Amino acid sequence: IAGITQAPTSQILAAGRRMTLRCTQDMRHNAMYWYRQDLGLGLRLIHYSNTAGTTGKGEVPDGYSVSRANTDDFPLTLASAVPSQTSVYFCASSDSAGGSGELFFGEGSRLTVL
Amino acid sequence: GQNIDQPTEMTATEGAIVQINCTYQTSGFNGLFWYQQHAGEAPTFLSYNVLDGLEEKGRFSSFLSRSKGYSYLLLKELQMKDSASYLCAVRDRDYKLSFGAGTTVTVRA
Repeated sequence: IAGITQAPTSQILAAGRRMTLRCTQDMRHNAMYWYRQDLGLGLRLIHYSNTAGTTGKGEVPDGYSVSRANTDDFPLTLASAVPSQTSVYFCASSDSAGGSGELFFGEGSRLTVL
Repeated sequence: GQNIDQPTEMTATEGAIVQINCTYQTSGFNGLFWYQQHAGEAPTFLSYNVLDGLEEKGRFSSFLSRSKGYSYLLLKELQMKDSASYLCAVRDRDYKLSFGAGTTVTVRA
């Protein structure tokens, strides 16, 4: 079944550790996004990529980095995790930067930083 | 940037109608989206408006007024499975999507 796959689905991490959340899509969408979702704050954009080889900063990029080496993969890295990065992380993709461009979401990665 | 406001919670009875309002302020408007999110799940796309007016899709309708920075999502003939969070989202001219905090709708029998 086509879609977006995120891994891991859940992780507990010690503060100061490095962590990479993986995201792969098989829909050949050009645009990909990483959001974090926290209670009462909704979904906030961390980083995005409108096409392979390019990335941009969203609303809350500090402490996170991304890369887009190819169309399908868009990993999110926490170089040195802190407790405030405890959240549910959603990867998303869309098939165009214009038109409807609805986002398709992965199932989320629940990260707890202790 | 975006400033998106929607009510935190709404409760309605099965079979009734509920209207979820969303107001926004944006530096560059390029479309408004509504998403549904059940607890513990990913958001799923409901509707898209880029021009003023009403878009109808089955039991769900969405309205947009760009001059007023206003949209609403109308849910008709409510069913128990409609209990979920409804997210209003605005796309800017850089094609980034910003979300409101969401409205939790509880449908009671």
